[in-house]
This record gives sequence, C-alpha cells and structure tokens, in this order.
Amino acid sequence: IAGITQAPTSQILAAGRRMTLRCTQDMRHNAMYWYRQDLGLGLRLIHYSNTAGTTGKGEVPDGYSVSRANTDDFPLTLASAVPSQTSVYFCASSDTSGRTQYFGPGTRLLVL
Amino acid sequence: GENVEQHPSTLSVQEGDSAVIKCTYSDSASNYFPWYKQELGKRPQLIIDIRSNVGEKKDQRIAVTLNKTAKHFSLHITETQPEDSAVYFCAASSNDYKLSFGAGTTVTVRA
Repeated sequence: IAGITQAPTSQILAAGRRMTLRCTQDMRHNAMYWYRQDLGLGLRLIHYSNTAGTTGKGEVPDGYSVSRANTDDFPLTLASAVPSQTSVYFCASSDTSGRTQYFGPGTRLLVL
Repeated sequence: GENVEQHPSTLSVQEGDSAVIKCTYSDSASNYFPWYKQELGKRPQLIIDIRSNVGEKKDQRIAVTLNKTAKHFSLHITETQPEDSAVYFCAASSNDYKLSFGAGTTVTVRA
C-alpha cells in the first residue's frame, strides 16, 4: 500500500511554462487537498475536492487549477508559472468521516 | 474565513523539560483541532487531535487542551527528547472539513 504519492519530487521551471503536479492516493479517501508551504506562512490551502467530480477554492487559488475525474487522482496545474509560485506543494487526502488528513511527500518547485 | 495564530514561532528547550505551544482561532464554528509534526524535509504528520466536545486529551508525553470560550488550544510536550525537535503546526476546521493552519513553531530540544 503506497498511501499518497506525489510527482515529481522536485522541479525547476521557467516562468511562463505550464506545469502539472500529480497526486495519487490508494486509500479510497473521499476528500483531497492541495497546500503550498512557505517559510513563516505555514500551510495554505490552494484547492480542495470533497468527492470525485467536485472541486472548490481554498485560501490562495489564483494561478492554479485542479480536476478530480476519479477518486484516486487530484492533479494541480499551473497554467503559466510565476516566481511567486516557488514553494513546496503538499497534496493530502482524508476520509471525511474521520477528518484526519494524510499528506504526500511533497513537490519542491522552483520557478525562475 | 478562519484565522489561526500560533505562538511562539521558535522554542528552544533543554532535554527533559516541557514545551508548550499555543494557538488561537477566530471562527466559533470550528470544532476540530489537530496538531501536526513536520521533521526536516518530511511531510506533516498528525500527532494528536481534539474535538470541541472535549477539554483535554493525552497520548503518552503529549497532551492538548482546548478552551472554547476563549477560542484557544495548546499543545504540551513533557519530558522532551531530541527526537521531538521539529516544526509543529496547529490547525482548526469546522464542518466543512477544510483545515486552516497556524504558521508553525520550530522546536529545538537541546541535549
């Protein structure tokens, strides 16, 4: 059982390029989340999905989009990357009956 | 939306001493308060949580207290050990299940 995985582990990206961060979970959790982590700011919610087919905006959604075509996958897309999107990105999932969120290993993104 | 403030931002303690981290929240509808530990280069992991119908919860050397009236909750670590060195995050959520995190506390346990 892998739990929750993310790809790539790290990436250097030129500003203006499009990038998709991948997230997959095998726990059959209803809900999935994307956070960014910046020093001194903690973890901030970008987008979330309570169930397959639905998504919602979090605290910092601008410049990002998500889709939830099935239960297992929740990709995050940066349509045109900017340097301020340099961050560590964590995907998480939870069974809404339990409320505990389980985090993936993270993707370290540098936008130049 | 929910606003969670966490103090202190850094905490240095002697091995064997206690560590206390405090958080306040703004939304009176919040009813779930987890604490996450993040070691350097690793993912955040849940260490303890408390729901609004409980005032205190313990798990070995860690405990969490909740004061709903004052809208604050705290993490207590007793008999600290070097492996307790990490960044700790508090969070709060209401029935929408979205978590709002504090900015984190870097705990260093001195041998």
